[in-house]
Amino acid sequence: AQKVTQAQTEISVVEKEDVTLDCVYETRDTTYYLFWYKQPPSGELVFLIRRNSFDEQNEISGRYSWNFQKSTSSFNFTITASQVVDSAVYFCALSEDYGGSQGNLIFGKGTKLSVKP
Amino acid sequence: DAGVIQSPRHEVTEMGQEVTLRCKPISGHDYLFWYRQTMMRGLELLIYFNNNVPIDDSGMPEDRFSAKMPNASFSTLKIQPSEPRDSAVYFCASSLLVGGGNEQFFGPGTRLTVL
Repeated sequence: AQKVTQAQTEISVVEKEDVTLDCVYETRDTTYYLFWYKQPPSGELVFLIRRNSFDEQNEISGRYSWNFQKSTSSFNFTITASQVVDSAVYFCALSEDYGGSQGNLIFGKGTKLSVKP
Repeated sequence: DAGVIQSPRHEVTEMGQEVTLRCKPISGHDYLFWYRQTMMRGLELLIYFNNNVPIDDSGMPEDRFSAKMPNASFSTLKIQPSEPRDSAVYFCASSLLVGGGNEQFFGPGTRLTVL
């Protein structure tokens, strides 16, 4: 069964602190894709990153970085030097690549990040 | 590109009324998805279309919900009759290709309140 677990419901940090959002996934497929989306207070869902199951290279984009580890089925997201504008709910999602579930994004419950000035 | 467009942005209706939510996907995208977001259940897929054909509607909660895609640039999600438990934010998303490797682009959502 497919499942995405974001154990941290809410995180509160002070501006300029680093923060890591955890994501653990379950899948039986060998080919799958992982995503992070951001939902700011305005409500829209913004795509941040996509990784496929064959590429375990970590990625850095500005203040954002992602750590993908197949051995622990984790795809964690770190924000360095957090800013107030980073305050949002962050969703981790999984998509498998077979049969009927092709295209279906399975979302975690989300982690609400509050960055205080 | 204008992105995925949804209307209305907010809808307040009374129990038993028919509700129609509308979506215009990004031009050229072959796939269209309807999701529902609630506090209790989070984000869940209701149905998705490929080239205007429904592919997977297993997430549609019950017969009161129906979705159509009469052409490549328009889709509707209808609830008839509506119930208070249908109150949620409904998102439409589109993608160029399905297969997990392609990100879905989401619309701003429609916040539905059923009194």
